Amino acid sequence: AQSVSQHNHHVILSEAASLELGCNYSYGGTVNLFWYVQYPGQHLQLLLKYFSGDPLVKGIKGFEAEFIKSKFSFNLRKPSVQWSDTAEYFCAVNPGGSYIPTFGRGTSLIVHP
Amino acid sequence: KAGVTQTPRYLIKTRGQQVTLSCSPISGHRSVSWYQQTPGQGLQFLFEYFSETQRNKGNFPGRFSGRQFSNSRSEMNVSTLELGDSALYLCASRAGGNQPQHFGDGTRLSIL
Repeated sequence: AQSVSQHNHHVILSEAASLELGCNYSYGGTVNLFWYVQYPGQHLQLLLKYFSGDPLVKGIKGFEAEFIKSKFSFNLRKPSVQWSDTAEYFCAVNPGGSYIPTFGRGTSLIVHP
Repeated sequence: KAGVTQTPRYLIKTRGQQVTLSCSPISGHRSVSWYQQTPGQGLQFLFEYFSETQRNKGNFPGRFSGRQFSNSRSEMNVSTLELGDSALYLCASRAGGNQPQHFGDGTRLSIL
């Protein structure tokens, strides 16, 4: 069965530190990839998505993610985090032909000012 | 453009009762999906409706059911509530194809 693994369940950083959150999936075919963010008290919202083309995808608020097909990975990065990035981050994968994303369990990020 | 609206925001029920949650998708979105979110399990897919038909279903017992109306609004029903059903229930709508989901704020269901 399709699975999505987010290896870091809890991450604590200081402001200006660099961020990388891991996401690996098990499906071997064509995939569509997403990162969602859930700020405290707010609904899930899309950070960025990858369908095809350039494997380095830029999203909102300075986030980017790189699709590495050989590693079945779609890691999220940000060069310098801010206190306002404190949130829960979810990776999601649509296997080709399916419109239903499988979500990872999420990574809770806390950024200290 | 209004976002996905879920009602109610909070619900407290007791074991054995049943509950109905409501979701109004973004205007023009015909696909509505439901998820259960818990701290330990993340987001678990319940089912998806498209044009009043259940198109996909996750691995949840038959106590969890749903429906979609002609205006794309959707309801989810859980019967014979159990303590383990306590969770945040999220509704998401999608324009179609492989477009991203747009999520509502969720309904927080607590079972006593």
